[in-house]
Amino acid sequence: DQQVKQNSPSLSVQEGRISILNCDYTNSMFDYFLWYKKYPAEGPTFLISISSIKDKNEDGRFTVFLNKSAKHLSLHIVPSQPGDSAVYFCAASVTSGGSNYKLTFGKGTLLTVNP
Amino acid sequence: DVKVTQSSRYLVKRTGEKVFLECVQDMDHENMFWYRQDPGLGLRLIYFSYDVKMKEKGDIPEGYSVSREKKERFSLILESASTNQTSMYLCASRRLASGSEQYFGPGTRLTVT
Repeated sequence: DQQVKQNSPSLSVQEGRISILNCDYTNSMFDYFLWYKKYPAEGPTFLISISSIKDKNEDGRFTVFLNKSAKHLSLHIVPSQPGDSAVYFCAASVTSGGSNYKLTFGKGTLLTVNP
Repeated sequence: DVKVTQSSRYLVKRTGEKVFLECVQDMDHENMFWYRQDPGLGLRLIYFSYDVKMKEKGDIPEGYSVSREKKERFSLILESASTNQTSMYLCASRRLASGSEQYFGPGTRLTVT
């Protein structure tokens, strides 16, 4: 039962254009969402997060949008740079109750930004 | 900056060997985690520790055990390594605060032959 889904295994965009990475979830109890970026042979690094009380969070070139009714979130990178080429993981958690430690990850999307 | 370190970047072991993977964090985080990452499967939680000497099974604990004797250190133990445990192992830590992100170590690429 995959509760967090990243349906696109890969995405290729041109430098300077927008990259849009998508993530869907099925568990309506999720109320906190995160995006991680991972380079080969390195651990994931935290990129940006959003609470379910918001529908948008922005940090520099990165913006995460949350559509709770559709159980969908997306990460926008504008403008895309070659250094953004990495695997991006979407993750979700339930922050109320006793299991707020647990992150459920999607399978990841490999983003390639071409010069 | 938070630093999470793992004892080895690459490890090759034989089937049946006992394997220890060590993780240390320097930010006094209460929670620590062990994941494995496999192609096409994303990150899957093996075990979690919410404090010293406390542990909880994750989604795929079979074939693994853990130890947390000190707050900064969390060990993953493969009692008898098998080839299906060949994987990238990632350690993470986090503050005990709702919604706080997890910080990951660089990973250990374990190959069991």
